[in-house]
Amino acid sequence: DAGVIQSPRHEVTEMGQEVTLRCKPISGHDYLFWYRQTMMRGLELLIYFNNNVPIDDSGMPEDRFSAKMPNASFSTLKIQPSEPRDSAVYFCASSPYPYEQYFGPGTRLTVT
Amino acid sequence: AQTVTQSQPEMSVQEAETVTLSCTYDTSESDYYLFWYKQPPSRQMILVIRQEAYKQQNATENRFSVNFQKAAKSFSLKISDSQLGDAAMYFCACTTNTGNQFYFGTGTSLTVIP
Repeated sequence: DAGVIQSPRHEVTEMGQEVTLRCKPISGHDYLFWYRQTMMRGLELLIYFNNNVPIDDSGMPEDRFSAKMPNASFSTLKIQPSEPRDSAVYFCASSPYPYEQYFGPGTRLTVT
Repeated sequence: AQTVTQSQPEMSVQEAETVTLSCTYDTSESDYYLFWYKQPPSRQMILVIRQEAYKQQNATENRFSVNFQKAAKSFSLKISDSQLGDAAMYFCACTTNTGNQFYFGTGTSLTVIP
């Protein structure tokens, strides 16, 4: 298997612009997780899905962030409008069970 | 709530030597799982080893092994015969059986000295 695929790998955008991050989980994995990693806050769970349904979005920082999973092979994390403090590495992870996760390579987002 | 603490921000080891990374955790759950993840400069998060709390036997994966002390809520990672490729940030993590939350420590940066 190719593993979890994320795109783009790097994104540079200006403040106020919409940003969409994409994730393709490992085939057959029923769970999908979105994380944000910063030096200040470490790894933070933003939201996770089970069978395409959002289960816990309590980690989503504010209404500017939204996530969708329209089918078992695709998920998006959208930030609108983006702000400089959103600059971070965003990871997607998938799992066949809730307690073991396989991470994608991450998307490094820079908002200027 | 669960917490995971890694008290060693940085560690170094001589190539071919053994190093132990510390991790303590706190959870009120009786059924949980513990993990060590490795994050090299490529930033890819790689699962190194997993320990189920109900298992008394310490998990081992080749040169990586854990010392799981359930009563002390301690979960240390031992890397034997350290290699240059082991240089990375190592994260300890804990989750319950339901996987509703996945808690990570702040990480330990490991340097391997040739």
